[in-house]
Amino acid sequence: DTEVTQTPKHLVMGMTNKKSLKCEQHMGHRAMYWYKQKAKKPPELMFVYSYEKLSINESVPSRFSPECPNSSLLNLHLHALQPEDSALYLCASSQEGLGSGSRYEQFFGPGTRLTVL
Amino acid sequence: AQSVSQHNHHVILSEAASLELGCNYSYGGTVNLFWYVQYPGQHLQLLLKYFSGDPLVKGIKGFEAEFIKSKFSFNLRKPSVQWSDTAEYFCAVNTINTGGFKTIFGAGTRLFVKA
Repeated sequence: DTEVTQTPKHLVMGMTNKKSLKCEQHMGHRAMYWYKQKAKKPPELMFVYSYEKLSINESVPSRFSPECPNSSLLNLHLHALQPEDSALYLCASSQEGLGSGSRYEQFFGPGTRLTVL
Repeated sequence: AQSVSQHNHHVILSEAASLELGCNYSYGGTVNLFWYVQYPGQHLQLLLKYFSGDPLVKGIKGFEAEFIKSKFSFNLRKPSVQWSDTAEYFCAVNTINTGGFKTIFGAGTRLFVKA
């Protein structure tokens, strides 16, 4: 199984709502990532988890809260988002996430398209 | 600041034409280099990667890339494109930092191959 799954596929939420995005992989990968991708732009790294610990936070606003409950699951909790947060949110995983892991490719999920009204 | 530049944002080619997509990065430390592709309606997937050894690397579907360290470049090539190569191509660089590494993507190149 070389798949990263993400749910939901689409999400529409108001600025006062609380919602969560979910990502799952069963490849035994020890690193998981969240990216944000605006239309016609490249993916921008938000968070990296290595061995279920947050290793990289790219100065993301606190209205985005990541969580890694176990090595297969990654969540992104959303609260009080702004309309400019509307984007495609991509999850990825790779074999390792620490320094030596930089040589491994990332496997991407299909993304969750988020619209904030 | 660390960055990745892709020189061509849109490329249109006829089938059987040769392809070269440029990628340059700015980072003085250790890097690992990737090309990812996104076919219409599909998610990002790996085309090829380089982390050490022979600077000319071969990937899937006849693609290859050459790492030239002195030029901070990792250009993607294919001798003869097919209609099915129509996709968006992203160059990505992993830069090793304290606590792990970061992945930086280039802006992407949209390739359209005319049948």
